[in-house]
Amino acid sequence: DQQVKQNSPSLSVQEGRISILNCDYTNSMFDYFLWYKKYPAEGPTFLISISSIKDKNEDGRFTVFLNKSAKHLSLHIVPSQPGDSAVYFCAASGAGTASKLTFGTGTRLQVTL
Amino acid sequence: DSGVTQTPKHLITATGQRVTLRCSPRSGDLSVYWYQQSLDQGLQFLIQYYNGEERAKGNILERFSAQQFPDLHSELNLSSLELGDSALYFCASSVGHRANTEAFFGQGTRLTVV
Repeated sequence: DQQVKQNSPSLSVQEGRISILNCDYTNSMFDYFLWYKKYPAEGPTFLISISSIKDKNEDGRFTVFLNKSAKHLSLHIVPSQPGDSAVYFCAASGAGTASKLTFGTGTRLQVTL
Repeated sequence: DSGVTQTPKHLITATGQRVTLRCSPRSGDLSVYWYQQSLDQGLQFLIQYYNGEERAKGNILERFSAQQFPDLHSELNLSSLELGDSALYFCASSVGHRANTEAFFGQGTRLTVV
């Protein structure tokens, strides 16, 4: 039972353009969402998070949008840079699952020149 | 460098064997989490320890066990290994016991069972 889904395994975007990574979830008890970035041979690194009391959180080039009614969140990267090429994982936690993060399967982003 | 240290980085062992993976959390972090990432899968939560006590359990097999020691380092023990146990095993740590605090991940241990 995949409670957090990233339906696009890969995404290719030109440098300077916007990258949009999507994530859907099924558990209505999730109230906190995080994005992690992972380079090869490294562990995931925290990127940005959002609480369910907000619908948008921004940090520099990275913005996360949350649509609770649709159980959907997205990560926008503007402008995309070659160094953003990595695997991006969406994760969620919530009441009853507060001690664990449930991860999606990841989206591999490639930013081309 | 996340400050979380995992050893060894790579491990190759035969089916039926037992291995121990080690994790040293960031200085000051009390929580340690273990995750398993199999091929093309997301990270699956295994278990969490907070200040020496088991805090939460995920889909951890009975053949697997973990502990957190007084100095807060943690070990994940995998026994009666099967081919399907081949995966990346990540350790993460955080200050608090809730997963929505930012968790810092180690580089992982790649386990190959042959």
